[in-house]
Amino acid sequence: GEDVEQSLFLSVREGDSSVINCTYTDSSSTYLYWYKQEPGAGLQLLTYIFSNMDMKQDQRLTVLLNKKDKHLSLRIADTQTGDSAIYFCAETSYGSSNTGKLIFGQGTTLQVKP
Amino acid sequence: DTAVSQTPKYLVTQMGNDKSIKCEQNLGHDTMYWYKQDSKKFLKIMFSYNNKELIINETVPNRFSPKSPDKAHLNLHINSLELGDSAVYFCASSPTWPRQETQYFGPGTRLLVL
Repeated sequence: GEDVEQSLFLSVREGDSSVINCTYTDSSSTYLYWYKQEPGAGLQLLTYIFSNMDMKQDQRLTVLLNKKDKHLSLRIADTQTGDSAIYFCAETSYGSSNTGKLIFGQGTTLQVKP
Repeated sequence: DTAVSQTPKYLVTQMGNDKSIKCEQNLGHDTMYWYKQDSKKFLKIMFSYNNKELIINETVPNRFSPKSPDKAHLNLHINSLELGDSAVYFCASSPTWPRQETQYFGPGTRLLVL
C-alpha cells in the first residue's frame, strides 16, 4: 500500500543547515513534493521533484531523491527563524483506475533556535 | 488575487447540525480536492473532482457530500456533525488530470464540533 514516513521533529540553530528526511513506498510515484505549513496557516508548496531526477536546487532549498531506496530529503541552507514550521513530504499515487492523489507523511516540525 | 479561497475560515457548531464549507479557485484548474487534517496534523484526501465529475471518493462517511456547481467551485456539505469531524479541512486545485503536477491549497477551514 501507499505509505510516506517522516521523522516528527527536528531542532536546529539559526544559520545551520536543516535536513528533513522522508521515505515512501509507491515506486510508481511520478512527482514528490515538499509542502510547508506555518502555525494556523494553509499548505504552501515549497518545491517538487520529478522522479527521474536525483537533485533539484532552488535558492536555499536542495531536494535529493534516491529512487532505489525510495528516500527523499529536503535541505534548507542557512536556516532562519522564519523557517520554523511543519514540513510535509508527499508523493503522487496512481491507483488502478489511474486517479491520482497526494499521499502525505506525518509532517516534520522544524524548530529553529536563535 | 487569491488563488484558492475557502469560507468560512472558522466554524464552531453543535453535534447533529448540518454545515457547508465553500471553496473557489481562480487559477483555471480542472481538478479540485478536499483534504482533512486531524489534530495530529495528519493529512488525508477525501474527494477529488475533475471538471465537475467525481473521480476520487475515499472511505469517507456518506454524511459528507461534495458538490461542484462548476469547475471553479467545490463545496463540502456535512450532515449530522459528530465530535470526530472536528478538524481542519483544506481545499486544493491542480491544473491537469490524471497526471496532476502540483496541487495548490486553500487556507483551510477550522471546524470545531461541540
